[in-house]
Amino acid sequence: AQKITQTQPGMFVQEKEAVTLDCTYDTSDPSYGLFWYKQPSSGEMIFLIYQGSYDQQNATEGRYSLNFQKARKSANLVISASQLGDSAMYFCAMREGYSGGSNYKLTFGKGTLLTVNP
Amino acid sequence: GAVVSQHPSRVICKSGTSVKIECRSLDFQATTMFWYRQFPKQSLMLMATSNEGSKATYEQGVEKDKFLINHASLTLSTLTVTSAHPEDSSFYICSARRGVREKLFFGSGTQLSVL
Repeated sequence: AQKITQTQPGMFVQEKEAVTLDCTYDTSDPSYGLFWYKQPSSGEMIFLIYQGSYDQQNATEGRYSLNFQKARKSANLVISASQLGDSAMYFCAMREGYSGGSNYKLTFGKGTLLTVNP
Repeated sequence: GAVVSQHPSRVICKSGTSVKIECRSLDFQATTMFWYRQFPKQSLMLMATSNEGSKATYEQGVEKDKFLINHASLTLSTLTVTSAHPEDSSFYICSARRGVREKLFFGSGTQLSVL
């Protein structure tokens, strides 16, 4: 079974509107972290937001918020007030285990290509 | 600004040659660096975990003699693709961890094309 599932290969949104990118995960480890990264056409991976499994509140970073539903094992990314520069690939990723552990590696989903229309 | 520098950003080489890719953490010491490979329109696949002063830990299916990783200092890890072949053509991207609880910072990636 895939550890990270992103069911939307592509999404379109109108400029200034909000958009939700889906991500579900699968792990039996009680300690884990969830990440969202943006990858523009240039290739670099840009960190957007992080949610720890024990965090009580949903993470927010500017226009980005993470809708963390632990029981459903989902960690959807919400981008508010979309901008043209938001057009990019978006990857959801998971780190299993304690963040201070030596086995620190990320498993990535297949990504969602977001296109913001003017 | 970027905290992880990766060089070169693009390389074209002939089949059979070796290519070295460098990954540097610019303003922090990274005891652990990670190397990923990404095919066009695909996800990132972890190749290996590079630990300073010790041998790299390779993921299943990754040939360690093909992809040589050296982490000689706390700020530099290198990936050498030995005897490159066209099937090695891919986007390679490194990442580094700053501190125990910090997120990973990624380099800008290297597009390798083997002719």
